[in-house]
Amino acid sequence: QLQLQESGPGLVKPSETLSLTCTVSGGSIASSNYYWDWIRQSPGKGLEWIGSVYYSGNTHYNPSLKSRVAISMDTSKNQFSLKLRSLTAADTAVYYCARHLGYSLAYWGQGTLVTVSS
Amino acid sequence: SYVLTQPPSVSVAPGQTARLTCGGHNIGNKRVHWYQRKPGQAPVLVVYDDRDRPSGIPERFSGSNSGNTATLTISRVEAGDEADYYCQVWDSTNDHHVVFGGGTRLAVL
Repeated sequence: QLQLQESGPGLVKPSETLSLTCTVSGGSIASSNYYWDWIRQSPGKGLEWIGSVYYSGNTHYNPSLKSRVAISMDTSKNQFSLKLRSLTAADTAVYYCARHLGYSLAYWGQGTLVTVSS
Repeated sequence: SYVLTQPPSVSVAPGQTARLTCGGHNIGNKRVHWYQRKPGQAPVLVVYDDRDRPSGIPERFSGSNSGNTATLTISRVEAGDEADYYCQVWDSTNDHHVVFGGGTRLAVL
């Protein structure tokens, strides 16, 4: 059974960089042709796609966040990561990692709350 | 970029049928996926590729997609179906992007 688990700081200061990691168990992130994604949900708002990394390492980002986002893979640890720069209060959200099944997001982590505050 | 439009809320009595819509330009040419999100929980995929159900999802959940509207239909609605529902497509017009609708809050009266 594929499982995903987000980890990272729960509190980050404005203007700093957020670093989150998604640890995958029950399957290898490098052995199959899947996209691995980050999604977030800010308080009172809907789901927002942040970006994807393909098993080959190619990345795709939400145009509204592209200038501040980087997603990468560490196949040796079976993890993929999110870095989001120049944080503001608007980046406060629950951040999810997920894996595609075709064009849908079939597997999700439980999510981790990140608060941006001084 | 591609835009998906969902009504903010839908209300239905238990036992009745709920129809949640997702509008987009020529959405019938895309594969639409639906997620259920309950408070404090991660989203759950309930319908993928317009009308297919993942294992474990009740047959009460069904989907359709044609023209400019995709629809998630929940038959014999139960109190436990109360949640936010999001539609999603994969937009490959410019690069490859996941696009979500704004979500619909389903209230079971």
